[in-house]
Amino acid sequence: EVKLQQSGDELVRPGASVKMSCKASGYTFTDYAMHWVKQSPGQGLEWIGTIIPLIDTTSYNQKFKGKATLTADKSSNTAYMELSRLTSEDSAVYYCARGYEVMDAWGQGASVTVSS
Amino acid sequence: DIVMTQTPSSQAVSAGEKVTMSCKSSQSLLYNENKKNYLAWYQQKPGQSPKLLIYWASTRESGVPDRFIGSGSGTDFTLTISSVQAEDLAVYYCQQYYNFPRTFGGGTKLELK
Repeated sequence: EVKLQQSGDELVRPGASVKMSCKASGYTFTDYAMHWVKQSPGQGLEWIGTIIPLIDTTSYNQKFKGKATLTADKSSNTAYMELSRLTSEDSAVYYCARGYEVMDAWGQGASVTVSS
Repeated sequence: DIVMTQTPSSQAVSAGEKVTMSCKSSQSLLYNENKKNYLAWYQQKPGQSPKLLIYWASTRESGVPDRFIGSGSGTDFTLTISSVQAEDLAVYYCQQYYNFPRTFGGGTKLELK
């Protein structure tokens, strides 16, 4: 069974950074890309970027360049996303999702709340 | 960026009804070399992660009931639920994967009448 297990919810101060993880199991990690998607409260879905773990290549939505940094650790089958200089606009649920073209498996989501 | 526009934004339905929802893209999602439309549909139930329903505009993901039917080509696409069940109440999103950045429509929320 394909599973993407995301790290827990975070409460962070404005201006801080947060790094979340997405541990993959049930498939060969390097056979697929990993996407990250943002869902602001009561809103739709917004693609942040994708990483191809096999060749460590990333592609970002221009809107999130400088905000999000995607990495992957092939040895632990884990993808990471770091969000920097957090503001209230970054409060959202963040999902990792497997796939090159379509996103055929999703993590459970991780909520980030930015508040002082 | 390709803009995806979904209508309606919400729809009240009764169990057993046939439902259709629309997704339009700002440019064609049909890749001429393979004649495939780079369009997917996802379902998101309350409190859950999105789930892939349909890709290539009309191919159902494994395990998706056959009451979910995707159609359309180019810039105009439709998701039809032939007979809505209570468990289908959710928000449905279309998404293009023709190019980067990947973009989603704003969603269509199915509610009980």
